[in-house]
Amino acid sequence: AQRVTQPEKLLSVFKGAPVELKCNYSYSGSPELFWYVQYSRQRLQLLLRHISRESIKGFTADLNKGETSFHLKKPFAQEEDSAMYYCALTGGGNKLTFGTGTQLKVEL
Amino acid sequence: GAVVSQHPSWVICKSGTSVKIECRSLDFQATTMFWYRQFPKQSLMLMATSNEGSKATYEQGVEKDKFLINHASLTLSTLTVTSAHPEDSSFYICSALGPGSETQYFGPGTRLLVL
Repeated sequence: AQRVTQPEKLLSVFKGAPVELKCNYSYSGSPELFWYVQYSRQRLQLLLRHISRESIKGFTADLNKGETSFHLKKPFAQEEDSAMYYCALTGGGNKLTFGTGTQLKVEL
Repeated sequence: GAVVSQHPSWVICKSGTSVKIECRSLDFQATTMFWYRQFPKQSLMLMATSNEGSKATYEQGVEKDKFLINHASLTLSTLTVTSAHPEDSSFYICSALGPGSETQYFGPGTRLLVL
């Protein structure tokens, strides 16, 4: 069975501070990992996916197969980064398994 | 591009009635759509995968006779909650696979309250 764990329900940081949202997964094969973001009163949208190896809005995430992690990082948090972040994976198909989400709050 | 809409955005109904929720891909054709439900402060849970022109595939524990899914066209999937009860009150979200991609585009969700 595939599983995604986000240990923090809420992460509060100051503007300009580094951010790391943790995500660990459990899957026996080769998963594809995603980060989705939901801003206040908006729909869920894709932030980034591990196979793209890109940086979106200053965020990056590296798949660590040894630690089965896909932590989301940003060196300097901005106020507009405040949102709900979901880590998700698929295991060869298109069905997404989501983590429980982490609410990021960037304080001034 | 790749916009998904849902209708209605919220609905209140009496226990025992049926409610239909529509999911539309507005500017692309989606052979596959997904239906999720989300309880307060919890994650999205996949209910079923909706394939155009064929029967939906339901996740374990989801009653197919309770949650009827129809994907009659490449731009529309509907979820009907039959004989709704208060425990069916939830936030229902659909997504559609983008054209030629593995990216899911999400609708804004439908909040259902069953009294």
